[in-house]
Amino acid sequence: DAKTTQPTSMDCAEGRAANLPCNHSTISGNEYVYWYRQIHSQGPQYIIHGLKNNETNEMASLIITEDRKSSTLILPHATLRDTAVYYCIVRVAGPMNQFYFGTGTSLTVIP
Amino acid sequence: EAQVTQNPRYLITVTGKKLTVTCSQNMNHEYMSWYRQDPGLGLRQIYYSMNVEVTDKGDVPEGYKVSRKEKRNFPLILESPSPNQTSLYFCASSLFGLDTDTQYFGPGTRLTVL
Repeated sequence: DAKTTQPTSMDCAEGRAANLPCNHSTISGNEYVYWYRQIHSQGPQYIIHGLKNNETNEMASLIITEDRKSSTLILPHATLRDTAVYYCIVRVAGPMNQFYFGTGTSLTVIP
Repeated sequence: EAQVTQNPRYLITVTGKKLTVTCSQNMNHEYMSWYRQDPGLGLRQIYYSMNVEVTDKGDVPEGYKVSRKEKRNFPLILESPSPNQTSLYFCASSLFGLDTDTQYFGPGTRLTVL
C-alpha cells in the first residue's frame, strides 16, 4: 500500500474551513483515499473516501488532485468538536489486512 | 443501536497473568479486527477475521491470540502479558472487510501490564 505524508499538527479558527492536506505520491490506480478521525482516545470514526472524483458528504469534502498524488480533506465550518487527529490512508480495494493508520494530523479548532 | 462493544474498558494486570478482552458487534458484520494504539506509532493492526473460523495476522500479532467461533464475537487473548503490551486497544468491524466498507470501532480498552 502507498504511504501517506501529513502535517503533524494544524490549527483552525472556529467557523472557518479546515483544509487538511495529504500527500500520496506513490498511489496506485486502484487505491482508494480514506479519511478517518479520532477524538481523544475514542475509536476512529470514518469520514469520507474516494478514488478519483471529488466527494462530499454531510461531514466533509474530499478533493483529489488530477494526478491523484495528493488530496485535501475540507471541513467547511469547523467547530470545537472537530478537534481530533485526522488520518489519511490509501489502500488497495480488497480485504482490510494490515490496515495501518499512521500518526495523522492533530487538528485544533480555536475559539 | 448498531455498535461495537469491548470489555473491560480499563484493565491493570501483572506480567504473565492471562487475560481476555472481549469484543462484540450487533451489525452482523463478516469482518472484525483488533488494533493497538501507542504514542508516536499510530494505530497498528494485530489480527483480523474475514468470517467465522477465519483469522489472520495483522501488522503486530506477536504475543496475541484471537478466535472467531461466532460471527458477533472476536476476543483478544494475551496468554502471558508483558509490559510492552501496555497500550490502548480497539476492536473494529465492517460488513465484508473491503476497503470500501466503513469500519466501526469500539470505545477502546486501556490495558496496563505491570
